[in-house]
Amino acid sequence: QSALTQPASVSGSPGQSITISCTGTSSDVGGYNYVSWYQHHPDKAPKLMIYDVSHRPSGVSNRFSGSKSGNTASLTISGLQAEDEADYYCCSFTYSSTLVFGTGTKVTVL
Amino acid sequence: QLQLQESGPGLVKPSETLSLTCTVSGGSISSSNYFWDWIRQPPGKGLEWIGTLFNSGSTYNSGRLYYNPSLKSRVTISVDTSNNQVSLKVSSGTAADTAVYYCARRSGYYYGSVADWGQGTLVTVSP
Repeated sequence: QSALTQPASVSGSPGQSITISCTGTSSDVGGYNYVSWYQHHPDKAPKLMIYDVSHRPSGVSNRFSGSKSGNTASLTISGLQAEDEADYYCCSFTYSSTLVFGTGTKVTVL
Repeated sequence: QLQLQESGPGLVKPSETLSLTCTVSGGSISSSNYFWDWIRQPPGKGLEWIGTLFNSGSTYNSGRLYYNPSLKSRVTISVDTSNNQVSLKVSSGTAADTAVYYCARRSGYYYGSVADWGQGTLVTVSP
């Protein structure tokens, strides 16, 4: 299985909105509504930010939102804050009951 | 509150087997309808899913195993219910297996979402 494709980096100024894309295939992203997004700060465990494409776990800011169209999922961070600077990974359930992660995106707050 | 703690040797020689254990506290590894995942991150690279054991609710003898196809020939995941632990073995280690290894849990109701993670443990494969 091939890693889902994400942009290597995305940047924005405080208060702006940014969107991270995650492109897969009909065997993963396009075939199921089981896409999740993770925020990963160095030397910490990844944190679930979005599950099932667009749902936020309890405690996650509503500045984070998710969507999907065809084989591409997206994570949008609105009202960008300094604390949002981190690596972000998408993840999808696949037709063979495995998981596949995205290549990762480094978000920089200018 | 569920806690997952990875443990094992931090240094493994090439060609040897990498063995890690995840000790679960604040919950039972025998609880039904959960996936127990292993995920790793090589230095400077992204997250890679290794495999999972799914407890469907029947006896653990029928727990289902799923592995990353690229690692399947070298990976074994097993469970020790008496010690509330899940284990990972990666045989024929190479430098490419050097990574932070995470133990994690997914609910069977949310197939694609890893909600609970351990802190991770670094394993280096080197002579």
